[in-house]
Amino acid sequence: GAVVSQHPSWVICKSGTSVKIECRSLDFQATTMFWYRQFPKQSLMLMATSNEGSKATYEQGVEKDKFLINHASLTLSTLTVTSAHPEDSSFYICSASDLKTYQETQYFGPGTRLLVL
Amino acid sequence: SQQGEEDPQALSIQEGENATMNCSYKTSINNLQWYRQNSGRGLVHLILIRSNEREKHSGRLRVTLDTSKKSSSLLITASRAADTASYFCATDPVFGNEKLTFGTGTRLTIIP
Repeated sequence: GAVVSQHPSWVICKSGTSVKIECRSLDFQATTMFWYRQFPKQSLMLMATSNEGSKATYEQGVEKDKFLINHASLTLSTLTVTSAHPEDSSFYICSASDLKTYQETQYFGPGTRLLVL
Repeated sequence: SQQGEEDPQALSIQEGENATMNCSYKTSINNLQWYRQNSGRGLVHLILIRSNEREKHSGRLRVTLDTSKKSSSLLITASRAADTASYFCATDPVFGNEKLTFGTGTRLTIIP
């Protein structure tokens, strides 16, 4: 089945630093990847849609200069949290759609837990 | 985008019993999907039901969809301890450009 990986699985950083999270589709090509954020015991909130070779589309209320997204290839999208602050601490999850099948199902990565001190 | 609502928010049942979770949504959809999330982990896709389908089965899972009421239910039969997880419904809106809208989730606990 389609596998999506994320790296790192968890990260602790100091306030003010930047953190990069990678999302890879391991055995399929994905023209579209999605980035979500999940706070404890809450649902997933879509942050942005990442399209290969073009600018990401951000949801309302999500700062594009704060959360930089780069989708450089059909198998890799990165999310960089710039100048991270404690309120950015969260669980970040990516998902990807398989280019070759009808894009109904999104395949989710295992998530990255970010803790900003 | 507005999230769907799921109920109950939390459900605890004895192993072997059936578990039913409900999801309501607000917009017209292409399909509705159910996902499972174990604590602190990513989401696992369980089942997808299209807007022109009313019922779908997959192993111990049974999903229904009522587009007139904008609601869906997930039934897990003969529950097992390993079914303990959070369950989310997600809708693929007609004009959503593939963007899924997730429900609030149901935390299911199976008591051995």
